[in-house]
Amino acid sequence: QKEVEQDPGPLSVPEGAIVSLNCTYSNSAFQYFMWYRQYSRKGPELLMYTYSSGNKEDGRFTAQVDKSSKYISLFIRDSQPSDSATYLCAMSVSGTASKLTFGTGTRLQVTL
Amino acid sequence: GAVVSQHPSRVICKSGTSVKIECRSLDFQATTMFWYRQFPKQSLMLMATSNEGSKATYEQGVEKDKFLINHASLTLSTLTVTSAHPEDSSFYICSAMRGAGNQPQHFGDGTRLSIL
Repeated sequence: QKEVEQDPGPLSVPEGAIVSLNCTYSNSAFQYFMWYRQYSRKGPELLMYTYSSGNKEDGRFTAQVDKSSKYISLFIRDSQPSDSATYLCAMSVSGTASKLTFGTGTRLQVTL
Repeated sequence: GAVVSQHPSRVICKSGTSVKIECRSLDFQATTMFWYRQFPKQSLMLMATSNEGSKATYEQGVEKDKFLINHASLTLSTLTVTSAHPEDSSFYICSAMRGAGNQPQHFGDGTRLSIL
């Protein structure tokens, strides 16, 4: 079993839809949770960074962490074609200076 | 935001060649840099952690004599794939962390390495 599971998609939604992206994990020691966006042939770009459980909002993006269920989510409101990319979840045990464990990424396509 | 530059973006070379990839933090000093490898449709896998002025820490299963890492300054780390073979073909990505503490990692745009 992988430490971090993420549905690879692809996920196709119409412009303006609310997108829900999720990851589950097995290591209860993970405490730091990140979401990255990766465009084709580019490196991952940090979108959200949260510590422990709870919600964090930044513009159209909301990250949720439920440590009791070992489940994290990223919601994108009013999705745009420019949001089309691969979204990677990542997590670590003891902070970002330590090893990040990534999901495989979910490919999102926002259509006009 | 933080900018990490990686060069070259694409390399195609013959088997047996050694290839050097550079990772630079352009607008901050990076005490720690990381090197990842990404196969198609798979996760980024950490290869090694590089701290300025000290030896890199390699993940289990990564050959340190094959993948030489040098972090000689606070803005530059290099990865050299020595005597590369077709199985070394992959997407290599570096990341850098600004300062100390729990700062997020910022990634370069990767290097696609193809060994013929």
